[in-house]
Amino acid sequence: NAGVTQTPKFQVLKTGQSMTLQCAQDMNHEYMSWYRQDPGMGLRLIHYSVGAGITDQGEVPNGYNVSRSTTEDFPLRLLSAAPSQTSVYFCASSARGAKRRNTEAFFGQGTRLTVV
Amino acid sequence: GESVGLHLPTLSVQEGDNSIINCAYSNSASDYFIWYKQESGKGPQFIIDIRSNMDKRQGQRVTVLLNKTVKHLSLQIAATQPGDSAVYFCAENLGANSKLTFGKGITLSVRP
Repeated sequence: NAGVTQTPKFQVLKTGQSMTLQCAQDMNHEYMSWYRQDPGMGLRLIHYSVGAGITDQGEVPNGYNVSRSTTEDFPLRLLSAAPSQTSVYFCASSARGAKRRNTEAFFGQGTRLTVV
Repeated sequence: GESVGLHLPTLSVQEGDNSIINCAYSNSASDYFIWYKQESGKGPQFIIDIRSNMDKRQGQRVTVLLNKTVKHLSLQIAATQPGDSAVYFCAENLGANSKLTFGKGITLSVRP
């Protein structure tokens, strides 16, 4: 079972470059999210989606765009990379349970991004 | 804004002892809580969850306790093993969406 797959695992960007972090899940989960993890900061929510065609901002959305054209994929775009975006990025997915309640989130292995 | 927090940044325990990791949350309306374990270089891994209509839930070697009166969550690990060494996060969820609010994490170190 693949679960949540993130690519690439590592990436180095120059300031001002753009790129897309890919996330795919094969569990038919409605919910998908992107988090960034920085030392001493825990995981912070960037953007999330409750279904195909629906996205919303999390705690730290500035500098990032997302789209959800299919249930399986939830790419995260950095429009103009900045050193402050150096971080480890995690994608997560979860199913919508009975009575629309939340269920456990499954995480990918992460993308380590360095912006120089 | 309201957020989940942890009391201690690190915890060192002897192999075989029981571990207790504590977490305080401030949003009294949160209705779903999860404990995650993160090993170095990996993504968070689900350990156990609990809904707000419960006080206690047990898994294999782990127990989560929820005290809604004081907004406190704890993770108990029985007979701690070296493989339990990791960073542990508590997370809370409010409403029917995918928004998890994480605490900053606590490192559990198991002494042989």
